[in-house]
Amino acid sequence: AQKITQTQPGMFVQEKEAVTLDCTYDTSDQSYGLFWYKQPSSGEMIFLIYQGSYDEQNATEGRYSLNFQKARKSANLVISASQLGDSAMYFCAAGPLHFGNEKLTFGTGTRLTIIP
Amino acid sequence: EAGVAQSPRYKIIEKRQSVAFWCNPISGHATLYWYQQILGQGPKLLIQFQNNGVVDDSQLPKDRFSAERLKGVDSTLKIQPAKLEDSAVYLCASSLDRGTGTDTQYFGPGTRLTVL
Repeated sequence: AQKITQTQPGMFVQEKEAVTLDCTYDTSDQSYGLFWYKQPSSGEMIFLIYQGSYDEQNATEGRYSLNFQKARKSANLVISASQLGDSAMYFCAAGPLHFGNEKLTFGTGTRLTIIP
Repeated sequence: EAGVAQSPRYKIIEKRQSVAFWCNPISGHATLYWYQQILGQGPKLLIQFQNNGVVDDSQLPKDRFSAERLKGVDSTLKIQPAKLEDSAVYLCASSLDRGTGTDTQYFGPGTRLTVL
């Protein structure tokens, strides 16, 4: 079982600045995956980035990077050069790496607002 | 490639009425998920199908909720009878499930249910 904690309910960031969204997790699984999703006001959950617990290098996808610190059990999302379209809810999620079992547990989310 | 389709997008019903939601996953995706997202919270898994079999329905309130995926493609989630606390967004997701680890889940736009 996993528990995901996102301690920032809301953040305001100036356009073009970098932003870090915090996520800590607690899991009893030996192998697990960490995900970040974006949820705009339209409601759809958009996959952003994935990190496996076995990956030694931090994942990157365009302007998104995942700062994975296994010993601290943290998986922070970093968005570089923020844009107005980045305003949305952001959810951190984790799931065990078992064959055919992809059950994800989500955090409560962080609402990010980009200020022009 | 078409994404996950859901209908209807919005539904308003009175308590004790019945309601059904439909989901069509991404073509070729073996695994289908239904999530409930209450306002201010992250999504919570209700049921997971692999092809037309149930993998996990431990958090599905089976006295009132039911779901089926008869031909291993599209799925229907039903609530009968609805309660006020069922007001939420119901999200459908699918993943390829190649069995090599945690596959990314892709979400539909959701159905926003309001129970009066």
